Amino acid sequence: EPEVTQTPSHQVTQMGQEVILRCVPISNHLYFYWYRQILGQKVEFLVSFYNNEISEKSEIFDDQFSVERPDGSNFTLKIRSTKLEDSAMYFCASTQGRGTEAFFGQGTRLTVV
Amino acid sequence: GESVGLHLPTLSVQEGDNSIINCAYSNSASDYFIWYKQESGKGPQFIIDIRSNMDKRQGQRVTVLLNKTVKHLSLQIAATQPGDSAVYFCAEPNNAGNMLTFGGGTRLMVKP
Repeated sequence: EPEVTQTPSHQVTQMGQEVILRCVPISNHLYFYWYRQILGQKVEFLVSFYNNEISEKSEIFDDQFSVERPDGSNFTLKIRSTKLEDSAMYFCASTQGRGTEAFFGQGTRLTVV
Repeated sequence: GESVGLHLPTLSVQEGDNSIINCAYSNSASDYFIWYKQESGKGPQFIIDIRSNMDKRQGQRVTVLLNKTVKHLSLQIAATQPGDSAVYFCAEPNNAGNMLTFGGGTRLMVKP
């Protein structure tokens, strides 16, 4: 069964450093998403991406964040100048179309120290 | 794995019993709803969905009920098994269909 894959599974970084979280969406999917889940809280939407541009973003997705599809398979989330409160699980997801079933990756646990 | 949802409402059931997990939504214009299951250390996994032109939809051992009058959604799991232990979230897409808003989640614990 096709799946969304994310790397690394766990990333530890020092406050102020930049991190790049990587995702390989399902190959025939056209919409890509990043969500985050702070420990003990619900899953929160960050950004959606379609046709090489941001389709929707939340208030959380400020200038500290950026997304990119550098090639035909990868989808990345860059967090500049990380803060302690950026520590969370970050999930990538993809869908074939708008409003269709979203497939989530296993997540990257980001720990900012 | 690390526990998610330390402050989540918890439903504890005996193996073999039926489980009912509830969700309230606020947007009366919402026309599509989804239930996700999240096991410890994993990403959300699609279980079942329902459109607003239906009030009930059945899957394998799961049933989703939608009551639009009171804006309430429920997930029923028949003959609950230990493998059903997880956190369950309801979610709804926005009108553009390009983002999901998740509910707070319910932790289901199945006692053998």
